[in-house]
Amino acid sequence: TQLLEQSPQFLSIQEGENLTVYCNSSSVFSSLQWYRQEPGEGPVLLVTVVTGGEVKKLKRLTFQFGDARKDSSLHITAAQPGDTGLYLCAGALQGAQKLVFGQGTRLTINP
Amino acid sequence: DAGITQSPRHKVTETGTPVTLRCHQTENHRYMYWYRQDPGHGLRLIHYSYGVKDTDKGEVSDGYSVSRSKTEDFLLTLESATSSQTSVYFCAISFRQDSEAFFGQGTRLTVV
Repeated sequence: TQLLEQSPQFLSIQEGENLTVYCNSSSVFSSLQWYRQEPGEGPVLLVTVVTGGEVKKLKRLTFQFGDARKDSSLHITAAQPGDTGLYLCAGALQGAQKLVFGQGTRLTINP
Repeated sequence: DAGITQSPRHKVTETGTPVTLRCHQTENHRYMYWYRQDPGHGLRLIHYSYGVKDTDKGEVSDGYSVSRSKTEDFLLTLESATSSQTSVYFCAISFRQDSEAFFGQGTRLTVV
């Protein structure tokens, strides 16, 4: 059982469409992070959300942390082919010393 | 780029042989992690370390052991490799457990 459940696991859409990726858990996290991974590379951090209800924007990407700090979402507006990649959420449980990841969302944006 | 290197980058080994993967950092970060990545599973935590000689198990630790005798190096050992351990292994480092994790380039291990 994955501590962090991401959905959908695969998403293929046309350029210009909007999309949302979800990261859910029954556990409370001190923070949640979103990473993006390109083929043959390690994941690279996009954003960290710390406060319940927090919203962060990174150009066309909007990240939200749930009020109860158990879930997060990533919304992409007007997706572009350059957004193609594997998106991973990760979290540090309160009181734990480890960082755990969701199973990832493989996003494909078709021109 | 964060100073983190994994070696080797690729390895093919036979079932039943021991294998050791090395992660080396130059950032003096306290936390070091070993993950494996398989299709449909994202990154699964094998073992992690929160200081020299301080290590703990992750969610998929069976068949693996680790050692951290100094801050810079975190070794992952497959005691007797099996085909189910064919995977891509990533090492990561972080300053705190909830701060940004920096990843190595990965090691592609094939057990035949």
